[in-house]
Amino acid sequence: DVKVTQSSRYLVKRTGEKVFLECVQDMDHENMFWYRQDPGLGLRLIYFSYDVKMKEKGDIPEGYSVSREKKERFSLILESASTNQTSMYLCASSSPPGGLAGGPGTQYFGPGTRLLVL
Amino acid sequence: GDSVTQMEGPVTLSEEAFLTINCTYTATGYPSLFWYVQYPGEGLQLLLKATKADDKGSNKGFEATYRKETTSFHLEKGSVQVSDSAVYFCALSSPVGFQKLVFGTGTRLLVSP
Repeated sequence: DVKVTQSSRYLVKRTGEKVFLECVQDMDHENMFWYRQDPGLGLRLIYFSYDVKMKEKGDIPEGYSVSREKKERFSLILESASTNQTSMYLCASSSPPGGLAGGPGTQYFGPGTRLLVL
Repeated sequence: GDSVTQMEGPVTLSEEAFLTINCTYTATGYPSLFWYVQYPGEGLQLLLKATKADDKGSNKGFEATYRKETTSFHLEKGSVQVSDSAVYFCALSSPVGFQKLVFGTGTRLLVSP
């Protein structure tokens, strides 16, 4: 089974702190994604990566950065946390079209990190 | 740009009732379509998918048919159970680029005994 793990299920941070959210996948997937989930807004893509050291901005990258030094690990960084970044953060991974892991575009999600910024 | 529209919830049903959750999309080309489910306190799980027109995805009694003429991918189940209570997300993935998923806002389903 594909497994995507996230470093924390719950996190409480203070405004201005630098926050690291870690995601690890064990299926050798090329693509990894970070989303935030907010009520009434669904999931919105923050950043994604299609290879080691490669990254692309998603729809809402402001206030975030990412790091992918190893294929299996994708980190989301909140440079200076703010209260409007209180949210559920979900990591996902996928293989390119035609890959063995579920076919085109199938993303596998971690359990999420619920972040509260005070 | 690409977008997905889902019916707003919550959808409240009694056990064994018939379920329909509507989903329509706007996209260029021929996207793949997905339904994901999120149980309380968990991440999203793939429920079913369809990759071309007239494909029917099915899993755990749920079904959805890719209707290109109406740009729809409605989720149905003939008889819901209490354990189906969750949030359901419709999503599309463009056939080009890096398979970014575009999600609907989610529909919460509540099933009572």
